[in-house]
Amino acid sequence: GESVGLHLPTLSVQEGDNSIINCAYSNSASDYFIWYKQESGKGPQFIIDIRSNMDKRQGQRVTVLLNKTVKHLSLQIAATQPGDSAVYFCAEKASGTYKYIFGTGTRLKVLA
Amino acid sequence: EAQVTQNPRYLITVTGKKLTVTCSQNMNHEYMSWYRQDPGLGLRQIYYSMNVEVTDKGDVPEGYKVSRKEKRNFPLILESPSPNQTSLYFCASSFSWDPTNYGYTFGSGTRLTVV
Repeated sequence: GESVGLHLPTLSVQEGDNSIINCAYSNSASDYFIWYKQESGKGPQFIIDIRSNMDKRQGQRVTVLLNKTVKHLSLQIAATQPGDSAVYFCAEKASGTYKYIFGTGTRLKVLA
Repeated sequence: EAQVTQNPRYLITVTGKKLTVTCSQNMNHEYMSWYRQDPGLGLRQIYYSMNVEVTDKGDVPEGYKVSRKEKRNFPLILESPSPNQTSLYFCASSFSWDPTNYGYTFGSGTRLTVV
């Protein structure tokens, strides 16, 4: 499959453990954030989003936390499974615009 | 199945030879966009379209053209490809420019190599 980045930061997690992937965003005026998952050879896939008026949002096995004070976003994956192995990246949108800025991503490796 | 379809998946071409990468979506989405993905860089937007006959430049439009004659199709045209356009390209679509709760639906990508 296509390589999305040869030198991405990598997080290795034991199967069944929880994973935490971090993202520092750039614009304090950003009001909407998305986490994407990109498996090898595939396009990015929406995981979860959060608006800036929230601190936390939960989905199925995933939680996104937003800390606006330090412009930090994190994605928590509970009970990590082999199928979670992928590159994860965040995207931010500035208030009043329709443009998204995408992060470079973190590679998650799930160890059996 | 709801999807964004790009063709071709892989393409090797020579400098200066015009090419078109097709993108089609079957979800009646109004918004469509093209991105390129390069190692060490996040997705960068090339062009986007708010609806039929409405297109605009993204962050890296130089060397590319697009058209939106029909709602479902949004081809990316490289009139005179150069080696610096070697990249992984993604087409994406959404109901509107504001994809709250759904994000964009991305195609599987087109790996373009210009020699």
